Amino acid sequence: GEDVEQSLFLSVREGDSSVINCTYTDSSSTYLYWYKQEPGAGLQLLTYIFSNMDMKQDQRLTVLLNKKDKHLSLRIADTQTGDSAIYFCAESIAGNKLVFGAGTILRVKS
Amino acid sequence: DAGVIQSPRHEVTEMGQEVTLRCKPISGHNSLFWYRQTMMRGLELLIYFNNNVPIDDSGMPEDRFSAKMPNASFSTLKIQPSEPRDSAVYFCASSIQEAGELFFGEGSRLTVL
Repeated sequence: GEDVEQSLFLSVREGDSSVINCTYTDSSSTYLYWYKQEPGAGLQLLTYIFSNMDMKQDQRLTVLLNKKDKHLSLRIADTQTGDSAIYFCAESIAGNKLVFGAGTILRVKS
Repeated sequence: DAGVIQSPRHEVTEMGQEVTLRCKPISGHNSLFWYRQTMMRGLELLIYFNNNVPIDDSGMPEDRFSAKMPNASFSTLKIQPSEPRDSAVYFCASSIQEAGELFFGEGSRLTVL
């Protein structure tokens, strides 16, 4: 069955790098996504990676994909207090719906 | 630009009452999704529509839940009768295509006493 797993909590100091990890199960997923949810709000797409890529960099964000191990990670460089939020990993299932992980709460200490 | 609009933002009701949640997707988007978020189960896909047609409702918990999309600009999620275990935040999301970026509304927080 489809399942996306993430660690539940990460705490870092302001200025450090954050790495959020995720494992997924559907090897046919075309895209893998990272969404961000701030308190009291809906999810917003942060970044995504196509399944034939190993890495994608977008300013402070780096996404690494290990397709063999079905492992996805999100690295946030120079983490700021404004990065405190819940981060969701998601995989596309059968190309037409997203399955989300439980979310990782990122807490940034100043 | 208006995003996905959900109403009500908050609803408190008593067990047994009917609850109707509403969603207006972004204009031009042809896929609409209903998700439920709880601490215990995370974010669950309940149902999604493509071009107003329900495609996959396998996530709908039970017959007490129903969803409709009478036209491209409106969808409802109804719970009748409601139970305390239905308490959650219900999100509506839309996308231009089925596998495209999802744009989420701000959610409807439901509390069933």
